[in-house]
Amino acid sequence: KNQVEQSPQSLIILEGKNCTLQCNYTVSPFSNLRWYKQDTGRGPVSLTIMTFSENTKSNGRYTATLDADTKQSSLHITASQLSDSASYICVVSAYGNQFYFGTGTSLTVIP
Amino acid sequence: DAGVIQSPRHEVTEMGQEVTLRCKPISGHNSLFWYRQTMMRGLELLIYFNNNVPIDDSGMPEDRFSAKMPNASFSTLKIQPSEPRDSAVYFCASSDFGGEWNTIYFGEGSWLTVV
Repeated sequence: KNQVEQSPQSLIILEGKNCTLQCNYTVSPFSNLRWYKQDTGRGPVSLTIMTFSENTKSNGRYTATLDADTKQSSLHITASQLSDSASYICVVSAYGNQFYFGTGTSLTVIP
Repeated sequence: DAGVIQSPRHEVTEMGQEVTLRCKPISGHNSLFWYRQTMMRGLELLIYFNNNVPIDDSGMPEDRFSAKMPNASFSTLKIQPSEPRDSAVYFCASSDFGGEWNTIYFGEGSWLTVV
């Protein structure tokens, strides 16, 4: 069964600290993996897209990693800011335009 | 570009009424997606159009839901009759290729409450 699981479900960190969000998937055949950031009351915004051959991709303070062998991805946020408070959603695509969504990690950055 | 434009942003309707949500994708994009988001189920893909043709509607919950894309710049998602369990945020998104490789841009969502 194609599934995407994210952990932790929620996370609270102090401003300036780093954090790592996890995404495990069982989607096959794998096409690509995306991380989205969704601010409260807004639509999701794309952070990174990685294909099978990519191990890491950065977007500013956000760095995503992908291990296609273990079917795991992580999103690392460096030097967190209050504006990083949001839900982070992992989306895995299978060939044929099949999209599988994680339920997200809710991140709260506190001063 | 103004991004993906959705309307209405908020709607409250009575059970049994027809609801029509509208979407204008980003100009030049050839793929359009409708998603539903709830606290319980997260984001769910309802239907996906490519070049105005529905490619995958397996996510449409039941016959009460229908989606159309009469041209490249407009799509609707209709619920008839609406039920309280349809209360959710409905997102429209678009992409400039099949959606597998390119960024998918989301609108701000239509917040639907059925009472």
